[in-house]
Amino acid sequence: IQLTQSPSFLSASVGDRVTITCRASQGISSYLAWYQQKPGKAPKLLIYAASTLQSGVPSRFSGSGSGTEFTLTISSLQPEDFATYYCQQLNSFLFTFGPGTKVDIK
Amino acid sequence: EVQLVESGGGLVQPGGSLRLSCAASGFTFSSYEMNWVRQAPGKGLEWVSYISSSGSTIYYADSVKGRFTISRDNAKNSLYLQMNSLRAEDTAVYYCAREAFMGLGFDYWGQGTLVTVSS
Repeated sequence: IQLTQSPSFLSASVGDRVTITCRASQGISSYLAWYQQKPGKAPKLLIYAASTLQSGVPSRFSGSGSGTEFTLTISSLQPEDFATYYCQQLNSFLFTFGPGTKVDIK
Repeated sequence: EVQLVESGGGLVQPGGSLRLSCAASGFTFSSYEMNWVRQAPGKGLEWVSYISSSGSTIYYADSVKGRFTISRDNAKNSLYLQMNSLRAEDTAVYYCAREAFMGLGFDYWGQGTLVTVSS
């Protein structure tokens, strides 16, 4: 199963609403997770089962979708949110990741 | 507090071998499925291998199948990755990651250990 993400890069300002899309090459039900990674750090789980917020993650993060199309939304971008975001499918073993979306400061 | 600490990375020549370890603490290791994920310098995340809680079920990415072996010792709360026939393209930071529950993502990650394959 291949995952694509769009955009691959986005430039945004503090307070902006940001949406990242992840598309799967075949249906994966809701077996999708989203991660945030900052330079030199391990990834951090934000969302699992497509729309469930991981404990401790701010409520400005939300996820939606099922089947082949998914979105991660940050409702109001904060300075600490500038990072790279990855989706991951867990529907079938060979737990592929998407190529990533880098969110940079405008 | 859940902790995963990788070790064993370093510089190795092409064709060589290396064994990575991941020491787990702060949770019942034997109850969780575990994975290795790698990240080449400046690149994205690549899932490498999965092992079930008992060690009876194992999967590998095509890029490492036949060369890497995942294992675990639940008595020692440890996860391992034996890497043989290493190639330049295996150069990466290797993370061990705990799977929350089947299909629910990787909720804890180690800090990573760097493997460099170069002559």
